[in-house]
Amino acid sequence: DTAVSQTPKYLVTQMGNDKSIKCEQNLGHDTMYWYKQDSKKFLKIMFSYNNKELIINETVPNRFSPKSPDKAHLNLHINSLELGDSAVYFCASSPYRGVTETQYFGPGTRLLVL
Amino acid sequence: AQKITQTQPGMFVQEKEAVTLDCTYDTSDPSYGLFWYKQPSSGEMIFLIYQGSYDQQNATEGRYSLNFQKARKSANLVISASQLGDSAMYFCAMRGYTGANSKLTFGKGITLSVRP
Repeated sequence: DTAVSQTPKYLVTQMGNDKSIKCEQNLGHDTMYWYKQDSKKFLKIMFSYNNKELIINETVPNRFSPKSPDKAHLNLHINSLELGDSAVYFCASSPYRGVTETQYFGPGTRLLVL
Repeated sequence: AQKITQTQPGMFVQEKEAVTLDCTYDTSDPSYGLFWYKQPSSGEMIFLIYQGSYDQQNATEGRYSLNFQKARKSANLVISASQLGDSAMYFCAMRGYTGANSKLTFGKGITLSVRP
């Protein structure tokens, strides 16, 4: 009964490939997020969806495309992978997008681009 | 714009002692939330504690308490009776309200090592 799950947990791929990471939450939350944690452990938001609507889109290369088929799922597709995309990608969810709402994180997907 | 500052180098504490992890923030939002997360070596992000900017009392959750000083813009995490399992990286984060959206901004994190 994992609250926020991500697949795959590890992803090793070649430069130039296209890959997807899937995220699902069973908490009934309305808002979901993608974060990137770089090699220095710095966490930065990439995207946020509220009820399938994109509400936050940070300055992320357009090779990254999020998709939310329903409010329990938020997937991240990455085209033409580059070495600099190597990082840990976290999905998170919160009940709503308000100030007080705690975000709960998935286990992370460790992406290594060779 | 929001900013979270965590400047302590790696912290060490003896098992069973208390430790304070520092966090200062900067924001122009009138209402905001402050959060602490723990990231053990296994990599997951674990929510620890939340403090609202208008909360009158400091937040507490078990062995975790938040020393919130609004005028100084600080939100330090206090861990009492440290355990070996507390060894991890700790992130302070802030969520402000800017228009229709609010983002969670993280600090760079502090590594805590608990010595037996």
